[in-house]
Amino acid sequence: QSVLTQPPSVSAAPGQKVTISCAGDNSNIGKNYVSWYQHLPGTAPKLLIYENYKRPSGIPDRFSGSKSGTSAILGITGLQTEDEADYYCVTWDHTLSALFGGGTKLTVL
Amino acid sequence: QVHLQESGPGLVTPSGTLSLSCVVSGASIRSANWWTWVRQPPGKGLEWIGEIYHSGIANYNPSLKSRVSISADKSNNQFSLRLTSVTAADTAVYYCSRGSPSSGYLSWGQGTLVTVSS
Repeated sequence: QSVLTQPPSVSAAPGQKVTISCAGDNSNIGKNYVSWYQHLPGTAPKLLIYENYKRPSGIPDRFSGSKSGTSAILGITGLQTEDEADYYCVTWDHTLSALFGGGTKLTVL
Repeated sequence: QVHLQESGPGLVTPSGTLSLSCVVSGASIRSANWWTWVRQPPGKGLEWIGEIYHSGIANYNPSLKSRVSISADKSNNQFSLRLTSVTAADTAVYYCSRGSPSSGYLSWGQGTLVTVSS
């Protein structure tokens, strides 16, 4: 069970918006940046968001990130069928370890 | 463009040692970066194993710390993972990556499945 809590699953229809939360505490998210990844099992994870809200080159602005206190949120607008994947939040913790959230499975209905 | 490629045995016997290498091209592991190992057991989420900095400093997942070591071979531009006393719970797809939780893990290997079984 991860220290970072994500909902196991979320779903929405194509074209709609969805948010995925990542809850931590003051020893991890509260003091550190958060990054977000999209992962299809059997493939390499893909960086979507780093330093809480920044997007790497090539990531569309349909993907957004935010952080407030000890929680972070990934938002995806204009859902597409190819967005169906697992999503993970990641941050540091006070032991100089990286923490992955438990993952959220996004279903595009 | 940075390319990472994992290699190593796909089958390890219980109580044995898992050893994987990650060859890096398009970047030097002497550069100021964290070089990281992540795994995904079947049906489970991603798990951070540990990382090594270009200076040689390494950090490990506390739950694996007694069994894991990560080293760098600068002459061959690769870094390696060693996990001892493996059990079936160590069966996973193992990924190598470059980056950190803050700056993001931008570059990844394609992953390699390691099965622990007799």
